[in-house]
Amino acid sequence: SQELEQSPQSLIVQEGKNLTINCTSSKTLYGLYWYKQKYGEGLIFLMMLQKGGEEKSHEKITAKLDEKKQQSSLHITASQPSHAGIYLCGADGGSQGNLIFGKGTKLSVKP
Amino acid sequence: NAGVTQTPKFRILKIGQSMTLQCTQDMNHNYMYWYRQDPGMGLKLIYYSVGAGITDKGEVPNGYNVSRSTTEDFPLRLELAAPSQTSVYFCASSYPTGQTNSPLHFGNGTRLTVT
Repeated sequence: SQELEQSPQSLIVQEGKNLTINCTSSKTLYGLYWYKQKYGEGLIFLMMLQKGGEEKSHEKITAKLDEKKQQSSLHITASQPSHAGIYLCGADGGSQGNLIFGKGTKLSVKP
Repeated sequence: NAGVTQTPKFRILKIGQSMTLQCTQDMNHNYMYWYRQDPGMGLKLIYYSVGAGITDKGEVPNGYNVSRSTTEDFPLRLELAAPSQTSVYFCASSYPTGQTNSPLHFGNGTRLTVT
């Protein structure tokens, strides 16, 4: 079965610093989703990537899917306290309705 | 637009009690899902439904039941609560996966404690 591994598990950065979170799949990715979760709340959809080499940006967050479609990265530029939370990657698990998620990366941003 | 609504937000159950977690969506999505989230373990799929009248097991279905009588509602039933079911439960909905721009929309979760 497909598995998604995220790294690092947790990250503490100073406000204003850049950071990158990685998501690696054991199989080819046919749809990769990035979500953000704040404590006590649901998951908020950030971006979806489908094509090898695809890159999308929203405000200061950029997500990329590598050419081989087995790894994705999420890059935050000039981090702010509002970026703090848990970032999860998700992907189509191979059968209808079966979406799988990584274990998440907990991001803390120190003011 | 309410999106995905889950009730209750919090619940404490005694071992052996039963309860139903409610989930409703107003986006006319075909697909609905129930996940549980345990600390450090990510999200695990419990059950999912591709449309009214159709449900299927996910990765961790034991101890749970679901029904999908309408497009909007997808309740999750715990019959005999056990401490292992202490978790945060998330309901989600989407258009069929694989289509462009078909991400999951999540509710805000139900925090369940079984003691």
